[in-house]
Formats: sequence, structure tokens, C-alpha cells
Amino acid sequence: DAGITQSPRYKITETGRQVTLMCHQTWSHSYMFWYRQDLGHGLRLIYYSAAADITDKGEVPDGYVVSRSKTENFPLTLESATRSQTSVYFCASRQGNNSPLHFGNGTRLTVT
Amino acid sequence: GENVEQHPSTLSVQEGDSAVIKCTYSDSASNYFPWYKQELGKRPQLIIDIRSNVGEKKDQRIAVTLNKTAKHFSLHITETQPEDSAVYFCAALGFNSGYALNFGKGTSLLVTP
Repeated sequence: DAGITQSPRYKITETGRQVTLMCHQTWSHSYMFWYRQDLGHGLRLIYYSAAADITDKGEVPDGYVVSRSKTENFPLTLESATRSQTSVYFCASRQGNNSPLHFGNGTRLTVT
Repeated sequence: GENVEQHPSTLSVQEGDSAVIKCTYSDSASNYFPWYKQELGKRPQLIIDIRSNVGEKKDQRIAVTLNKTAKHFSLHITETQPEDSAVYFCAALGFNSGYALNFGKGTSLLVTP
């Protein structure tokens, strides 16, 4: 859906570098999420946010930082990238607890 | 948190046959169960969902059934077509999982002509 966009689509970075993945949604959805997708692991939750200035850890939060100063943006930062963080990252949003979850197009991150 | 198990991990069927994917969940408070389809290189997209007050839901060739007592739910695809080939993910949402969807590990479905 065009309402949620991620950037960049592809990123190559070196071990130890800081990198930020951007996520922007135009629906004013309350909830936003970051998942990573790896073969054999499916989609694993990194962080989520129920509203602006409210964030919480998911299943695999180590090495990641998030912020949500505005409802529409939910950036994900890798403070010091490691090879194990090579993955496809999906941002997602939804309005309420039982509302459909909408995914962005994903960011393919490679850490060398 | 919620633990969602999905089986099988791979499934191959002949065009026209039915395909069934099964999931179990651990959080008895879970009340929303969506299914997503992901084609290669693309984002997951919602294909059908079911809420805990309903036992079955159909949408053309796809259907989902829910057994709350046993804590399992299934996706049924009838009259499969090659374009159904994709990875399918089940998910569950419960009050104990921070309002986030927890996903199964996915089923790679191949429909051969």
C-alpha cells in the first residue's frame, strides 16, 4: 500500500557503522512495528510503538534503537551494525488492536 | 509472549488440488488471527483474517477455520492455481503480546501445473 513507505530499499554498510532505516505512514495509524525477516525464522518483532513517544521492545531488540516523535514516522537505528543484522527489515502499521496490519516494501540491509 | 507454530514448512500440490496449512498458538487471550501471503521479493499481504468469535470464514477459494479450545487455526486453499505459489504466514494477536502480531515461520507453497 502506498500509505506506508520505507527508505532506503537497499543498503550496504560496514560492520560498526551506524545506520538508520526510515518508515513513514500517511494513515495516522496509532500502532507501528519493525520486523526483521530471515530464512528459517519468519518475521520477528524488533520494536513496536502504540503512539507517539511510546515504544516497547519486541522479541529481538538488542542492537536496535527506535524513536517516535511524530505519529507518522518510526525510524529504526542500528547503533553499531553487525553481520548478524544482515536481513530484510519490514515496517508495518495498523490503526487498532484488531485492525489489519499493513507492511511497507521492506529494506534489504547487508552488513559487510 | 505468544508462540505461534506453523506446519508444514513446505508444501507442494498439483494444480487444482487443495492445500491446508495449520497453526497453533499458546496465548489463550489471542483474539485475532490473520493470514499473509508473500511473493518472492515482495511484502507480506493480508489475504484473510478471523476473529475469536467466529469459527470459520470464507473468501472465494480460501477459508480459515479456528478452534479456540484446541488453540489452532488453519488455512484452506481450494482449486489451487500456479499463482497461489508463495510463502504463507499465520499470525496471532493477544493481550499478552503487547498488541503486536506474532508470526509463524511460514509455509512455502508450490503449485505445479
